Amino acid sequence: GPKVLQIPSHQIIDMGQMVTLNCDPVSNHLYFYWYKQILGQQMEFLVNFYNGKVMEKSKLFKDQFSVERPDGSYFTLKIQPTALEDSAVYFCASSLSRFDERLFFGHGTKLSVL
Amino acid sequence: GDSVTQTEGQVALSEEDFLTIHCNYSASGYPALFWYVQYPGEGPQFLFRASRDKEKGSSRGFEATYNKEATSFHLQKASVQESDSAVYYCALSDSSGGNYKPTFGKGTSLVVHP
Repeated sequence: GPKVLQIPSHQIIDMGQMVTLNCDPVSNHLYFYWYKQILGQQMEFLVNFYNGKVMEKSKLFKDQFSVERPDGSYFTLKIQPTALEDSAVYFCASSLSRFDERLFFGHGTKLSVL
Repeated sequence: GDSVTQTEGQVALSEEDFLTIHCNYSASGYPALFWYVQYPGEGPQFLFRASRDKEKGSSRGFEATYNKEATSFHLQKASVQESDSAVYYCALSDSSGGNYKPTFGKGTSLVVHP
């Protein structure tokens, strides 16, 4: 089936550094999402993105977070600067449209902030 | 805000046992309801959905029926197999307002012993 690729699978960085998580969504999908999952906890919505704009974001999407998808390339989540509480697995997802509510998820990027 | 509550923790069964994972939701609108399954090292995969009261969703022998009165969408399978061992997520999306952010439950870990 359709695949969402996330790069890298694991990232270790020092607190205060910048990190960019990359997502290659399903090729004809138009809506993109980031979710955050802390170990043992539920997956929580961060943000969704369409047509070059953030459509909706949660309280977890702090000012240090930003998303973009320049020229149809990777859909990225940037955190600058990182904090210890940003350690989690970040899942990228995409969907064909807002009316096709099925999400396709990547395998996740495990971010460890030291 | 919207929320999903599902059977907490782990469910341990033997092969050919009957499975029920409870899911109850709270939403201001009339949400679509979903089940996703997550295998180790992977992202969640869409299992099936239901969009209206009394609709049954099903896939791979799993099924659930949308119950608006009881605000429930319980996952069932008549005879589980060891390969069904995974984490199962109940989710909802409420597209009122033209946008939505799918909300996930905490996940239920199913372990099936041979």
